Amino acid sequence: ELKVEQNPLFLSMQEGKNYTIYCNYSTTSDRLYWYRQDPGKSLESLFVLLSNGAVKQEGRLMASLDTKARLSTLHITAAVHDLSATYFCAVDLIPGNTPLVFGKGTRLSVIA
Amino acid sequence: KAGVTQTPRYLIKTRGQQVTLSCSPISGHRSVSWYQQTPGQGLQFLFEYFSETQRNKGNFPGRFSGRQFSNSRSEMNVSTLELGDSALYLCASSLGQIINEQFFGPGTRLTVL
Repeated sequence: ELKVEQNPLFLSMQEGKNYTIYCNYSTTSDRLYWYRQDPGKSLESLFVLLSNGAVKQEGRLMASLDTKARLSTLHITAAVHDLSATYFCAVDLIPGNTPLVFGKGTRLSVIA
Repeated sequence: KAGVTQTPRYLIKTRGQQVTLSCSPISGHRSVSWYQQTPGQGLQFLFEYFSETQRNKGNFPGRFSGRQFSNSRSEMNVSTLELGDSALYLCASSLGQIINEQFFGPGTRLTVL
């Protein structure tokens, strides 16, 4: 059974600081997705990582995938308040045949 | 391109009643997945439909059911509602094939009294 673990689950960081959210998964896969959820809202797709070594960047967020280590990271650079949200990673075991398995989410709070 | 839509957005029911939620996927998407989100259990997978067939099913009781129509629109039904069914129900659509990036609707907030 595929298990996806995120850490930390809660993160409070100061504006301007850098930090990394980790997403570990238990079974080999080369497809991983990152989502953002604002309070009371739905999930928004952030990044799609489709191969070992994939790196995607959007603004202050950068996601990478290491399939050998079964690890994805979401790096936050010079955090701003607008990045406060819950971030989920999701792993796709057999595309088209198995459902995405989501981590529990990391609740990020950026404070001044 | 229009996004995923869900109706209704909010719903209040009492224990024992049943409820039907609706989801219209992005045009061209053949896969629709349903999730239940609660503060305690997080995001839990209910089921996925692809081309009118249930392709995957999560670990929920039989009170939870769904279906998909030929135009890919999907409905989920919960019968004999319990207090614990209060949650945000999210629908997501995708192409459902090699790249399974899912696009989520705004959700239906169900409150069971």
